[in-house]
Amino acid sequence: AQSVTQPDARVTVSEGASLQLRCKYSYSATPYLFWYVQYPRQGLQLLLKYYSGDPVVQGVNSFEAEFSKSNSSFHLQKASVHWSDSAVYFCALSMGNSAGNKLTFGIGTRVLVRP
Amino acid sequence: GALVYQYPRRTICKSGTSMRMECQAVGFQATSVAWYRQSPQKTFELIALSTVNSAIKYEQNFTQEKFPISHPNLSFSSMTVLNAYLEDRGLYLCGARPNANSDYTFGSGTRLLVI
Repeated sequence: AQSVTQPDARVTVSEGASLQLRCKYSYSATPYLFWYVQYPRQGLQLLLKYYSGDPVVQGVNSFEAEFSKSNSSFHLQKASVHWSDSAVYFCALSMGNSAGNKLTFGIGTRVLVRP
Repeated sequence: GALVYQYPRRTICKSGTSMRMECQAVGFQATSVAWYRQSPQKTFELIALSTVNSAIKYEQNFTQEKFPISHPNLSFSSMTVLNAYLEDRGLYLCGARPNANSDYTFGSGTRLLVI
């Protein structure tokens, strides 16, 4: 069965600093990978996704993530965070693109950006 | 743009009673609807995946008898939590997409508190 691990429950960074959120997955083939963000009192918003090709994918709000098959990872990064980036970030995977494929989520990483 | 509305945003029900929540897609056809639950301190678990004109597929540990889902058209779905108990509390998230090649659009969720 597939699984997603986000080892960091909480991350605190100062505004302007860089941010990296870790995500490891377990799946026998190459999965579809996603990063979602949940702002307070809101639903999930898609930041970026990886299906194939260039392992570095760019997303909204200057986020990017790098897929590594050898490390089974899909870490999210941002060079310089803003206070508005405070939110909970979820890594997720899907086994493919058919109608029956579900998203499997990690437990989420809560990010607090200090002014 | 594509939006998903969920209501109510928050609800409280007495232990042993039932609670119905709704999911409305705007700006696209919700051919597939996925219902997730995020229990306290846990990640999102898929309850069931509903595709119009197909049978609703429930995940292990979730049943139609406990979480009946209606998906009568391409813009609306509802789910009821029957005989809610403490372990049913959490955030219930609805995600919808027009086809398998599209990403899910998620609502803000319905937060259920059971007392």
